[in-house]
Amino acid sequence: GQSLEQPSEVTAVEGAIVQINCTYQTSGFYGLSWYQQHDGGAPTFLSYNGLDGLEETGRFSSFLSRSDSYGYLLLQELQMKDSASYFCAVRDRVSSASKIIFGSGTRLSIRP
Amino acid sequence: NAGVTQTPKFRILKIGQSMTLQCTQDMNHNYMYWYRQDPGMGLKLIYYSVGAGITDKGEVPNGYNVSRSTTEDFPLRLELAAPSQTSVYFCASSSPGQEYEQYFGPGTRLTVT
Repeated sequence: GQSLEQPSEVTAVEGAIVQINCTYQTSGFYGLSWYQQHDGGAPTFLSYNGLDGLEETGRFSSFLSRSDSYGYLLLQELQMKDSASYFCAVRDRVSSASKIIFGSGTRLSIRP
Repeated sequence: NAGVTQTPKFRILKIGQSMTLQCTQDMNHNYMYWYRQDPGMGLKLIYYSVGAGITDKGEVPNGYNVSRSTTEDFPLRLELAAPSQTSVYFCASSSPGQEYEQYFGPGTRLTVT
């Protein structure tokens, strides 16, 4: 089966940097996505890593290591609006290439 | 360009009642998905479709049915509502080969009492 592990909660200070880790177990693997969800809102796509290494999009970066079955989302220059839940998701090869499996999410709280 | 729209936004059902959650997308995406999200949890896939006339079960399909007669619409049917189906339901869509980048509707908050 598939499983994803990410911390349930992380707290950080405005202006600082925070890293949210995700480890996964799948029988097959295509890549790792990250989504952001504000309270009461819908998930929105942030980034995707299909290959090992770092992908950067503005203040957000995402990293993947296939050999370690591990990835992370890095948020820099934290702003209060970054307070949200962050989900990693794997694109799984075994059952179907048409779907992704979501982790349980990490709730990020930003302190002034 | 509205993206993915869902109706209704909120609904309260009595046990045993039925209802259809509507989902429409205007991005010409072939792939569409239905998820449920329980409080403090991730998204669980209920059903998905790779095109008109083609649907398949996800992780938690029991108690639900879907149809896909057009590219734009992907309704989700609850036949005999149970309290365990109290949840927030999200519809999403994506392009083929880009399942990792899904576009979500605003969600339907359903309570079954």
